[in-house]
Amino acid sequence: GAVVSQHPSWVICKSGTSVKIECRSLDFQATTMFWYRQFPKQSLMLMATSNEGSKATYEQGVEKDKFLINHASLTLSTLTVTSAHPEDSSFYICSANDWFRGNQPQHFGDGTRLSIL
Amino acid sequence: KQEVTQIPAALSVPEGENLVLNCSFTDSAIYNLQWFRQDPGKGLTSLLLIQSSQREQTSGRLNASLDKSSGRSTLYIAASQPGDSATYLCAVENTGNQFYFGTGTSLTVIP
Repeated sequence: GAVVSQHPSWVICKSGTSVKIECRSLDFQATTMFWYRQFPKQSLMLMATSNEGSKATYEQGVEKDKFLINHASLTLSTLTVTSAHPEDSSFYICSANDWFRGNQPQHFGDGTRLSIL
Repeated sequence: KQEVTQIPAALSVPEGENLVLNCSFTDSAIYNLQWFRQDPGKGLTSLLLIQSSQREQTSGRLNASLDKSSGRSTLYIAASQPGDSATYLCAVENTGNQFYFGTGTSLTVIP
């Protein structure tokens, strides 16, 4: 079945560094991918909609200059957390839709746990 | 903006009991509604998807219902097992394929 792969699954880094998270659709093309964030003991919140070949659309309150999204191909979207700080520590999950198969369930990645020291 | 609420926030039941998890949403203009399971520190496992034109879906011991006009969905789990212990998330999908997640119900099934 269709799979969405996220990499890395866990990253720990120092405050001030930038971290890139990849989201790949392995056996289908995705014109649109979505990025979600989950703080401890909270639910998932939509951060942004990633559109292939164009700028991402960010939800209110999400800083576009801090969370850079690039969707350069139909199978890859990247989220870069720039100058990460401890408050950015969270669980980040992406999802993608198999656009060519119409109304099919979205596929979620396994998530990336980001810990900023 | 769509708001999704789940009740109860936490639930503890003895093994074998049937149980119901509740989900409500504020905007009835949804595309799909989906129930997920999330184990601690893990990603999402899709359990059931109900399209907006459907009233319910069943998979094994799970049954989900949808009343779009009233903005409600329920997830029924029959004959609960310790392996069912997890957080259950309700999510509504809009026509733009964006998901709005509920606050989750943390379920513990006691052996």
